Amino acid sequence: SQQGEEDPQALSIQEGENATMNCSYKTSINNLQWYRQNSGRGLVHLILIRSNEREKHSGRLRVTLDTSKKSSSLLITASRAADTASYFCATVWYNNNDMRFGAGTRLTVKP
Amino acid sequence: DSGVTQTPKHLITATGQRVTLRCSPRSGDLSVYWYQQSLDQGLQFLIQYYNGEERAKGNILERFSAQQFPDLHSELNLSSLELGDSALYFCASSPTDSNQPQHFGDGTRLSIL
Repeated sequence: SQQGEEDPQALSIQEGENATMNCSYKTSINNLQWYRQNSGRGLVHLILIRSNEREKHSGRLRVTLDTSKKSSSLLITASRAADTASYFCATVWYNNNDMRFGAGTRLTVKP
Repeated sequence: DSGVTQTPKHLITATGQRVTLRCSPRSGDLSVYWYQQSLDQGLQFLIQYYNGEERAKGNILERFSAQQFPDLHSELNLSSLELGDSALYFCASSPTDSNQPQHFGDGTRLSIL
């Protein structure tokens, strides 16, 4: 399957701490994207990283991509209670046009 | 606000019935994607349309169909509904394809009684 698989399934931290979520996949990809979903709402795009990129930053977010290990990580620094949400990685297969989501990581940030 | 509008927000119906979900993409976006999110299956890609034509197909059942109209809005038709079809159905749009970020609507929550 070309779906990404997130790890851990759930993560609980204190405000101010960093949160790291990992994503692994099985096929060659064109790009990998991270999305956030607040309970019952639509997904919000966070970062897109292409297969020829190794790291991208956006505010408190840092995404890395290791194509040799077929894995990516999302780091949220100095977390806030408002960061509480589910985070999904999505992979776009190299020779395909559809995007496949993993099962997500449920992040809880305690004030 | 993502700019993607989905209607209705909630839909309650019975088994065997047929429903239509509607999506208006962000202004200027040519691609529309449909996803189903349920507790047991997670977020599943159903189908993509680009400028009125089907571009990619995912885990879409034969009882489901979609189309994109000349004004670029899209409809997802679900027929012969079963209890297992109860889920959140999301529409997303992007300028052209999956090499760009997708913008999601707030979804239609479908409940089958």
